[in-house]
Amino acid sequence: EAAVTQSPRSKVAVTGGKVTLSCHQTNNHDYMYWYRQDTGHGLRLIHYSYVADSTEKGDIPDGYKASRPSQENFSLILELASLSQTAVYFCASRLDRGEQYFGPGTRLTVL
Amino acid sequence: GMPVEQNPPALSLYEGAESGLRCNFSTTMKGVQWFQQNHRGRLITLFYLAQGTKENGRLKSTFNSKERYSTLHIKDAQLEDSGTYFCAVGGASSGSWQLIFGSGTQLTVMP
Repeated sequence: EAAVTQSPRSKVAVTGGKVTLSCHQTNNHDYMYWYRQDTGHGLRLIHYSYVADSTEKGDIPDGYKASRPSQENFSLILELASLSQTAVYFCASRLDRGEQYFGPGTRLTVL
Repeated sequence: GMPVEQNPPALSLYEGAESGLRCNFSTTMKGVQWFQQNHRGRLITLFYLAQGTKENGRLKSTFNSKERYSTLHIKDAQLEDSGTYFCAVGGASSGSWQLIFGSGTQLTVMP
């Protein structure tokens, strides 16, 4: 069974502060993704990576950076958190084509 | 218009009833993934299809890439089926194989 974990599960941050969200997968998957979900909406892609030490921009990358230091780990970094970045963030992994496996989500509140 | 449209936006069913959810997309896609998002916010994968039809218990899903739609059929609805159902379509655009999500169908099953 695919396993994707995220930490922290929830976080409160102050405007202008730095936030790092972490994702870890134990499936040896090549692709990893960061999505955000706003209340009442579907998920949108922020960044993705298909190999360690390389990241690519998704549909809504502004205000976010990503880091893939190893195949297993993928981080999302908010250098200067803003109110508009309050959302639930999901990490996912995928081997090649096909099904994506999602983590439990991180609820971020920026005050 | 929206690249992925889900209908209906909301649906109420009595226990034991059945209904279908529909997902239309604007361009040819390679696969569809259906999720249930429960009250805790967790995304549970129901199906991934690259073609044809799959069944799992009371659920059945169809994916028609050529005609650009997918359906999810629920029969003998149970209270635990309540939640938001998302379809997400995937393709090789920009090499990311990202999932593009619809806005969801909020299902309420009533006793």
